[in-house]
Amino acid sequence: DTEVTQTPKHLVMGMTNKKSLKCEQHMGHRAMYWYKQKAKKPPELMFVYSYEKLSINESVPSRFSPECPNSSLLNLHLHALQPEDSALYLCASSHPNGGLAAPYEQYFGPGTRLTVT
Amino acid sequence: AQSVAQPEDQVNVAEGNPLTVKCTYSVSGNPYLFWYVQYPNRGLQFLLKYITGDNLVKGSYGFEAEFNKSQTSFHLKKPSALVSDSALYFCAVRDSPFGSARQLTFGSGTQLTVLP
Repeated sequence: DTEVTQTPKHLVMGMTNKKSLKCEQHMGHRAMYWYKQKAKKPPELMFVYSYEKLSINESVPSRFSPECPNSSLLNLHLHALQPEDSALYLCASSHPNGGLAAPYEQYFGPGTRLTVT
Repeated sequence: AQSVAQPEDQVNVAEGNPLTVKCTYSVSGNPYLFWYVQYPNRGLQFLLKYITGDNLVKGSYGFEAEFNKSQTSFHLKKPSALVSDSALYFCAVRDSPFGSARQLTFGSGTQLTVLP
């Protein structure tokens, strides 16, 4: 099974709302990622979790709060977002990269299309 | 620093003809190179990767890519294009473990349209 699932598929939220995006994988991957993607642009890395610990935060505003409850789940908590945060949010997973090993390919979910009004 | 360039925003090709999507890279060490494809309203799908060894890498859906160290290129190819290959293609690079970058760098993407 090479599937990464994301819920919800679509989300519309106001600037004062609190919502969460969810991601799940059952491939035994111990690295999980959140990306933000604008239309026709490459994905931008937001966060990386390795062995359930936050290893990379690409200077993301605090209105985005990631959480990794266990090795299969990844959440992204959203609060007080701005209209410019509207985008496709992609979750990905891979075997963890580290040391001298070559990097592993990432498997992406279908994304959550977020609209902030 | 690492970077990757996809010089063509758009590539059009007739169905049945060979296709090439271009990618060039810049790294300080040995490159690790990936191709991903994204269909409309979908996440990225892994196609193939070059780590070391044979310069011709075969991947999913009949795609292959040729690694050329002297030209720092990693072009994606397919001998006979299908209409269903129409999608957005991303090249990505990761420097060797001795480089400073910790994650993938994606190219800007190339929209491939296969005309029936």
